[in-house]
Amino acid sequence: KQEVTQIPAALSVPEGENLVLNCSFTDSAIYNLQWFRQDPGKGLTSLLLIQSSQREQTSGRLNASLDKSSGRSTLYIAASQPGDSATYLCAVFGNEKLTFGTGTRLTIIP
Amino acid sequence: DTGVSQNPRHKITKRGQNVTFRCDPISEHNRLYWYRQTLGQGPEFLTYFQNEAQLEKSRLLSDRFSAERPKGSFSTLEIQRTEQGDSAMYLCASSLGTTGLAKNIQYFGAGTRLSVL
Repeated sequence: KQEVTQIPAALSVPEGENLVLNCSFTDSAIYNLQWFRQDPGKGLTSLLLIQSSQREQTSGRLNASLDKSSGRSTLYIAASQPGDSATYLCAVFGNEKLTFGTGTRLTIIP
Repeated sequence: DTGVSQNPRHKITKRGQNVTFRCDPISEHNRLYWYRQTLGQGPEFLTYFQNEAQLEKSRLLSDRFSAERPKGSFSTLEIQRTEQGDSAMYLCASSLGTTGLAKNIQYFGAGTRLSVL
């Protein structure tokens, strides 16, 4: 059974700092990995998707990496802003479904 | 195309009542998924459809839960005799489900938040 773990569970950083969120998964037989953002009480916004054959994807200030063999992914956020405050979820697609981590709650301090 | 649509956005019900949620996927998406998210947790898979066929159900989907996709378009999720433990956000997603790398990319709706009093 696939298990996805995200560390840390919560993170607070001052505005302007760069930061890294971590995701690990137990079964490397995945098709892709996605990072989502979720604001309180809201649905999911897809940020980045990395196919299993890829190593990284970039979108603006966000960069996600994937090391499938070690079962790890990181989400790097550059020059953080208060608007980045949200919960960030990692999810892997395998066995025809997404398996999610429990998320990292990020707070950017102005 | 307006994306995946879920209705209602919020449902408040009393314990023991039945509730039904609706999901309209992106047109021409063959696959439709239901997930449940409780407070402080990530979403958990419930079930998915390929067109009108329900191909997999999670153990989380007790006998009180039933999902349908009668014409391979919209889907409904019904919960009978609701319990307080059913309080959660119910998320729907759809994907192309055909060949190629794009088939597995899931697009999510805004969710239906259920509160059972």
